[in-house]
Amino acid sequence: DTAVSQTPKYLVTQMGNDKSIKCEQNLGHDTMYWYKQDSKKFLKIMFSYNNKELIINETVPNRFSPKSPDKAHLNLHINSLELGDSAVYFCASSQAASEYNEQFFGPGTRLTVL
Amino acid sequence: QKEVEQNSGPLSVPEGAIASLNCTYSDRGSQSFFWYRQYSGKSPELIMFIYSNGDKEDGRFTAQLNKASQYVSLLIRDSQPSDSATYLCAVNGYGNKLVFGAGTILRVKS
Repeated sequence: DTAVSQTPKYLVTQMGNDKSIKCEQNLGHDTMYWYKQDSKKFLKIMFSYNNKELIINETVPNRFSPKSPDKAHLNLHINSLELGDSAVYFCASSQAASEYNEQFFGPGTRLTVL
Repeated sequence: QKEVEQNSGPLSVPEGAIASLNCTYSDRGSQSFFWYRQYSGKSPELIMFIYSNGDKEDGRFTAQLNKASQYVSLLIRDSQPSDSATYLCAVNGYGNKLVFGAGTILRVKS
């Protein structure tokens, strides 16, 4: 009965590679998010989709491309990985995109770029 | 100026005491405020949210909001060693964009 799930949990790869992280939620929520938590544990939003439409696109390198095939899934593809991309990436979801909606986080994907 | 500020700690309290965690925010138009708990190596877990000025209680947790002072706090009564974690304050903005503080490390000593 996992609410927000992510795969893979760990990802170790070489600089310059391309990788994807997948996220799925079974809560029936309309809105999904990607957050990045760096080595100093600071959690920062990257993207948000509402009903498959991009609504938040923070200042993120265009090597990062989110895709939402349906409102239950939000994937993150990263091209030409760099050392600085090493972090934990969290997917989250909420009922809607308005301010009064709690966000629920997935377990995270720890990305290590060598 | 950081958008959401928290004292990084660590805040150490004895078991059974009240832990008080504080957060200030810069956007006066913010309407909703959240406290998440994050254990080491785990994902953030929502423990409280508050939208109106005043206090909101849920079990051992009380969230307090003062919009005039742009201040939100979390009180944990009867602190337990299992409460030891990082507590993240988050403030909501347009499109449900959560802006997080850097977190306060809480250590409850038995």
